[in-house]
Amino acid sequence: EIVLTQSPGTLSLSPGERATLSCRASQSVSSSYLAWYQQKPGQAPRLLIYGASSRATGIPDRFSGSGSGTDFTLTISRLEPEDFAVYYCQQYGTSPRTFGQGTKVEIK
Amino acid sequence: EVQLVESGGDLVQPGGSLRLSCAGSGFTLSSFLIHWVRQAPGKGLEYVSGISGSGTGTYYADSVKGRFTISRDNSKNTVYFQMGSLRAEDMAVYFCATSQGAIGTTRGYFDYWGQGTQVTVSS
Repeated sequence: EIVLTQSPGTLSLSPGERATLSCRASQSVSSSYLAWYQQKPGQAPRLLIYGASSRATGIPDRFSGSGSGTDFTLTISRLEPEDFAVYYCQQYGTSPRTFGQGTKVEIK
Repeated sequence: EVQLVESGGDLVQPGGSLRLSCAGSGFTLSSFLIHWVRQAPGKGLEYVSGISGSGTGTYYADSVKGRFTISRDNSKNTVYFQMGSLRAEDMAVYFCATSQGAIGTTRGYFDYWGQGTQVTVSS
């Protein structure tokens, strides 16, 4: 199975700063079938990005995704207070679907 | 509005059984694949099972294969997750989620999620 490794484990930033989250795959992700989800405490995950770079419905344009092959990035251009959460990447190109272990974005 | 509501989570003893339900509203469930994703306390997301729109195709993670069974009743807009031989490591919040495409397709991501149901395994 494809193992996704996210880095860093925790990102400590202030509101207004830029956040860059990495997701590295153990083998190439087919057709860039890579999604990003946001999860806040006590809530279900929410789809942010699919196809490596397409924003889901209603997602603000401060969230952007990029990458291909084995290296993918989620960028939050300017952190808003509601963006402090845990972010997961997921590949859906090869069975089984797998998730990364998550990156926590916390307030510095 | 698309909504998924899980139910059936409970406290169960090791070796016991439980049936989770995932009820959909605001859409035709048969048009979607339905998946179960679990999250152990303080841990990340683990994909454990999925079922095709017709119910003929299923997936199970090795960690649950042979113990859990996924099924669906499209007439009731509901997917079921029969869990047996429960172990301490099965304790988690179980989320159901939809995808409009199968693995390896453009819409294979999870677009809608339920709020989750807690399964506690303890004597």
